[in-house]
Amino acid sequence: NAGVTQTPKFQVLKTGQSMTLQCAQDMNHEYMSWYRQDPGMGLRLIHYSVGAGITDQGEVPNGYNVSRSTTEDFPLRLLSAAPSQTSVYFCASSYLGINGNTIYFGEGSWLTVV
Amino acid sequence: AQTVTQSQPEMSVQEAETVTLSCTYDTSESNYYLFWYKQPPSRQMILVIRQEAYKQQNATENRFSVNFQKAAKSFSLKISDSQLGDTAMYFCAFMKPKETSGSRLTFGEGTQLTVNP
Repeated sequence: NAGVTQTPKFQVLKTGQSMTLQCAQDMNHEYMSWYRQDPGMGLRLIHYSVGAGITDQGEVPNGYNVSRSTTEDFPLRLLSAAPSQTSVYFCASSYLGINGNTIYFGEGSWLTVV
Repeated sequence: AQTVTQSQPEMSVQEAETVTLSCTYDTSESNYYLFWYKQPPSRQMILVIRQEAYKQQNATENRFSVNFQKAAKSFSLKISDSQLGDTAMYFCAFMKPKETSGSRLTFGEGTQLTVNP
């Protein structure tokens, strides 16, 4: 099992460029989400999805778009990168089992906007 | 909205000793989940321990245990017999039940723990 796979792991963008961070999970989880982690801070929720075709905004959604066309994939799009979007991005997936929620994180994507 | 507060930005402990990390939270929910995550320098998010609010018994995982005080909205993590590999950032996190949260987590600011030899 690959778990939650994020690509790319590292990326440098110029201000104004667009890009997509990919996230894929092979565990058939219904829930997926994107977080960002800025220096010295905890993770903050950007967008989340409760199933294919259903997405919603989190705490810090501005400047980002998401879609969920399949259960497996949940890409995060930066429309016009800004230096304030320099951060580490984490994708997560989860399911509700008999022992409660179990959340799996990807290894993170380091994004620098210059 | 829920908030999670970790009031200790940094802590240190000697190897083999015990350390307690503090976490408080604010919510109007009666049922929810609380988590402690460990983040080493690699930035990987590693689940340390989980507590369900409806369970009275404090969760325990090997050297890690929690002191969950629901009325006080407190959720501290105790690490016994600290090891050098415990050096990491530790995050406290809150989640409402699936039906109202979509498994969304609210994180605290983190506590950087250093275990000294």
